[in-house]
Amino acid sequence: EVQLVESGGGLVQPGGSLRLSCAASGFTFSTYEMNWVRQAPGRGLEWVSYITSSGKTIYYADSVMGRFTFSRDNAKNSMFLEMSSLRVEDTALYYCARGGPNDDYDPPDYWGQGTLVTVSS
Amino acid sequence: DIQMTQSPSTLSASVGDRVTITCRASQSIDSWLAWYQQKPGKAPKLLIYKASSLQSGVPSRFSGSGSGTEFTLTISSLQPDDFATYYCQQYNSYQYAFGQGTKLEIK
Repeated sequence: EVQLVESGGGLVQPGGSLRLSCAASGFTFSTYEMNWVRQAPGRGLEWVSYITSSGKTIYYADSVMGRFTFSRDNAKNSMFLEMSSLRVEDTALYYCARGGPNDDYDPPDYWGQGTLVTVSS
Repeated sequence: DIQMTQSPSTLSASVGDRVTITCRASQSIDSWLAWYQQKPGKAPKLLIYKASSLQSGVPSRFSGSGSGTEFTLTISSLQPDDFATYYCQQYNSYQYAFGQGTKLEIK
């Protein structure tokens, strides 16, 4: 069974930093592209970032470019989102989501339950 | 950036109704469009990919169509479990984008 479990969310002040993690199981993690998607309270879905299976190619939404860094450790079946210079508008539930195999830019098919990030003074 | 616009934002319907949700892209995305269903407090669920391909395990009352810039999600006969929020997502360009969502409510 495919499982994605996010962790690392919490309360942080504006300008602060946070590191999110996602632990994957139930599939060959090293062969799948992965994504982070967020959802502000009561709002819609916003794609945040994408990474290829090897981690060599990464894309970001304009809203987080230069502040967020997506990485993965295939040996540990894990991926990470380093977030810095956090803003109030980054407050959201952050989901990790599996793309497709073979880096075909497939839409996410499995999602975790999310970890909540709250940016507030 | 490619922008995705869904209509309507809210849709009221009854069990057994046929409903259609529209998604428009600001430029052509060929058939690189997905549809998701999300229920309160839950993660999104992939329903349709490549505009019209049904994800495994999704009931056949769900169907998708379209290409280029205009797409539709149709539910042929609404069931009680279908009342949720639906999102389209383009994955043609390297910056994926979601529509703003359509909330399907019970009339």
